[in-house]
Amino acid sequence: DVKVTQSSRYLVKRTGEKVFLECVQDMDHENMFWYRQDPGLGLRLIYFSYDVKMKEKGDIPEGYSVSREKKERFSLILESASTNQTSMYLCASKVGGSGNTIYFGEGSWLTVV
Amino acid sequence: AQRVTQPEKLLSVFKGAPVELKCNYSYSGSPELFWYVQYSRQRLQLLLRHISRESIKGFTADLNKGETSFHLKKPFAQEEDSAMYYCALSVNAGGTSYGKLTFGQGTILTVHP
Repeated sequence: DVKVTQSSRYLVKRTGEKVFLECVQDMDHENMFWYRQDPGLGLRLIYFSYDVKMKEKGDIPEGYSVSREKKERFSLILESASTNQTSMYLCASKVGGSGNTIYFGEGSWLTVV
Repeated sequence: AQRVTQPEKLLSVFKGAPVELKCNYSYSGSPELFWYVQYSRQRLQLLLRHISRESIKGFTADLNKGETSFHLKKPFAQEEDSAMYYCALSVNAGGTSYGKLTFGQGTILTVHP
C-alpha cells in the first residue's frame, strides 16, 4: 500500500513566522506535488517536483518555496506566513510518466493568526 | 491553459435516486480525466479515470469530447456515497506527463436516507 505521510496534521502559526510542511512517501515515486485545498476553489497546485533537486512552479507559487533533497521527501516552506495562507495543504506523489495514479496524504491544516 | 468546472457546489439526493455530478473542461489537447473522492475524515483518493472505462462503486463516467464533459453518474445513490467529489484533468508537459492535475471546485454530495 502506498503511503504518503504528512507529519504535521494541525498547525497554528503567527503572521511572519517561517513554516515547514513535511511530506514523505515510501514508494520510490519520482513525482511529488503540493496542493492547497480551499472551499469553493478546489485544489490548486503550488509546486511540484519530478526529481531530486528539481522543482517547478504550479499555479499559485507566490509566498511558497519547496525543497527536495531526497527522493522520498518533499517540503513546502512558507518564508513568512500570512493569514491568507490559512488553508489545508495536501501532498501527493506518483510514479513518473503518464497514466499513473496520484496518491495523496491526509493533509495539513495550517492556521495563521 | 486548462480549466475544469464543476457547476454544482452542493448536490442532495435521496437514497435510491439517480445522481449525476457535472464536470466540464477546457483543454486544447487530449486530456486524461479523473474523478477523485474524499469521504469524511479520509484522504483524497482516485475513484475512476476515463481511460479505464470501468465502473467503481456503481459510478461511471463517459468522456464526451464534443461537449468537453466528463459527468459522473450512478443509477441508485447510497448513503455511503456522501462525500466531496472532484473532477480533475491531467496534461502533458513538453512531451512528458508529470501527472499534474488540474482540479475543479468540487461538489459535495449528500445522500439522504
